[in-house]
Amino acid sequence: AQSVTQLDSQVPVFEEAPVELRCNYSSSVSVYLFWYVQYPNQGLQLLLKYLSGSTLVKGINGFEAEFNKSQTSFHLRKPSVHISDTAEYFCAVTFKAAGNKLTFGGGTRVLVKP
Amino acid sequence: GAGVSQSPRYKVAKRGQDVALRCDPISGHVSLFWYQQALGQGPEFLTYFQNEAQLDKSGLPSDRFFAERPEGSVSTLKIQRTQQEDSAVYLCASSLELAGETQYFGPGTRLLVL
Repeated sequence: AQSVTQLDSQVPVFEEAPVELRCNYSSSVSVYLFWYVQYPNQGLQLLLKYLSGSTLVKGINGFEAEFNKSQTSFHLRKPSVHISDTAEYFCAVTFKAAGNKLTFGGGTRVLVKP
Repeated sequence: GAGVSQSPRYKVAKRGQDVALRCDPISGHVSLFWYQQALGQGPEFLTYFQNEAQLDKSGLPSDRFFAERPEGSVSTLKIQRTQQEDSAVYLCASSLELAGETQYFGPGTRLLVL
């Protein structure tokens, strides 16, 4: 079965430090890749997505992610976090053969400490 | 429209009651998705509409779950004879038709079954 794994359920990080959130998916077939953020009591908001082309994707709020086909990974990074980045982050994949639905990872809760 | 809206935002139901959850997608969005998000987990796909046609209902957990989108705009997710395990946040998302298009999420309906 097609699946998405986020290896870290929680990541505590100090303000202005870098952060990396890891995401791996199960299938090597064609995929589209997404990172969404969910702030407390808010809906999911798209951070960035990879459809094709350059494997390094830049998104909103200073986030970027790199697609690695051989490792079936799509890790999210930010060089310097702010308190306002405290939120839950979800990696999601569309497996092209399965239609347009998103398969989500379990989420990574980022807590930025002052 | 301004975004995807969902109503009600919160719903408390007694076990065995029927509930109906409404989703208003972004105007002009052909695709509409329903997801279920249990506490502490990532969203899981329930069903997908393209206009009024329900093209994928593989994620509906039982025949107590039913979704419709009769005029290709507003959608309703109905749960009959609710059970405690139905307690979750139900998310609606809409997008343009093409594969890889961003899905825009509503704020969700938090359902608690007592």
